[in-house]
Amino acid sequence: KQEVTQIPAALSVPEGENLVLNCSFTDSAIYNLQWFRQDPGKGLTSLLLIQSSQREQTSGRLNASLDKSSGRSTLYIAASQPGDSATYLCAVRPGPSGGSYIPTFGRGTSLIVHP
Amino acid sequence: DAGVIQSPRHEVTEMGQEVTLRCKPISGHDYLFWYRQTMMRGLELLIYFNNNVPIDDSGMPEDRFSAKMPNASFSTLKIQPSEPRDSAVYFCASSPGNSNTEAFFGQGTRLTVV
Repeated sequence: KQEVTQIPAALSVPEGENLVLNCSFTDSAIYNLQWFRQDPGKGLTSLLLIQSSQREQTSGRLNASLDKSSGRSTLYIAASQPGDSATYLCAVRPGPSGGSYIPTFGRGTSLIVHP
Repeated sequence: DAGVIQSPRHEVTEMGQEVTLRCKPISGHDYLFWYRQTMMRGLELLIYFNNNVPIDDSGMPEDRFSAKMPNASFSTLKIQPSEPRDSAVYFCASSPGNSNTEAFFGQGTRLTVV
């Protein structure tokens, strides 16, 4: 059974810092990995989707990397801003041998960026 | 498109009552997912549909839960009878395809069963 762990669970940093959020998974036979952002009381917003054949994806100040063999992904946030404050979740979708489309989510990293 | 639309946004009900949550996926999306989020268990997939057909309902906690998708633009998640432990935020999501595509989430329904 796939298990997804996100470290740290919570993070509080001053504005301007570069951040690294970690996501690890136990079964490397994945199809893709997706990073989401969730604001309090809101749904999930997709940030980046990395296919299993890719090493990284970039969108603005966000960069996500994937090392499938070691079961790890990192989300790098450059020059953090107070507006980045949210919970960040990663979700792993199993590969073809994993059966149906059942993504496994991590518990998230709660980020606070203070001015 | 307005995105995935869920209703109601908040629901408070008494134990034993029937609860129906509603979802309108993004037009043209073939896949629809129902999730539940709690502090204890995080985000869990309950069931998902492909072209209105339920594909995997192994995440549905028990028989009190049922989901339907009568057409491509509407789905319901029903709990009957509801219990306090069902209190959670329920999300609906849709995606245009199964492989290599992103899932788009609704705002969620916060359910409180007292």
